[in-house]
Amino acid sequence: GAGVSQSPSNKVTEKGKDVELRCDPISGHTALYWYRQSLGQGLEFLIYFQGNSAPDKSGLPSDRFSAERTGGSVSTLTIQRTQQEDSAVYLCASSSANYGYTFGSGTRLTVV
Amino acid sequence: AQSVAQPEDQVNVAEGNPLTVKCTYSVSGNPYLFWYVQYPNRGLQFLLKYITGDNLVKGSYGFEAEFNKSQTSFHLKKPSALVSDSALYFCAVRAQTGANNLFFGTGTRLTVIP
Repeated sequence: GAGVSQSPSNKVTEKGKDVELRCDPISGHTALYWYRQSLGQGLEFLIYFQGNSAPDKSGLPSDRFSAERTGGSVSTLTIQRTQQEDSAVYLCASSSANYGYTFGSGTRLTVV
Repeated sequence: AQSVAQPEDQVNVAEGNPLTVKCTYSVSGNPYLFWYVQYPNRGLQFLLKYITGDNLVKGSYGFEAEFNKSQTSFHLKKPSALVSDSALYFCAVRAQTGANNLFFGTGTRLTVIP
């Protein structure tokens, strides 16, 4: 597609439930990133996929968070047993060799 | 370790006046530097980047930024601010070698007063 697509745009979930957030990167972009933006905070790096290499998971805040990227394209970020502190906007970005990222519009997650 | 500092949470400027949004960085080796803008309820939009070459980089919407290696700074500037420039601005850095993930500052909210 023309841009990075994220779904859903908004998600309200009950504490303790699992959620899945989806990211469709720009076709042909080899790298895909997940960031989290909390109210009043900057962007917190979560995980990074580059081609067929093992992902860089160094930013995941706990083992409740995981992500996968199927077929080098679509990525899913899963949060298990959600907590209120997980409430944030989750941003996905993809990039090619021109160094810059293209971001999606994000998924606003609210845990109640 | 890589990091970015945006020392001002908020910058207010009158319409038509020049604006500056400050950014300093820390990185091992040479940096790639970026500015992004976020409008309300929108994702981040790319403004400009420094990769190599001229230290003065020109980007979208009349913005520019100057890479200063000795001061490890990459301040964002515009000669004449517009009310529509009001948004949240993020500076980001990554090293030229190693992992591709960007490190972002905490953002600076720019308000242009009519």
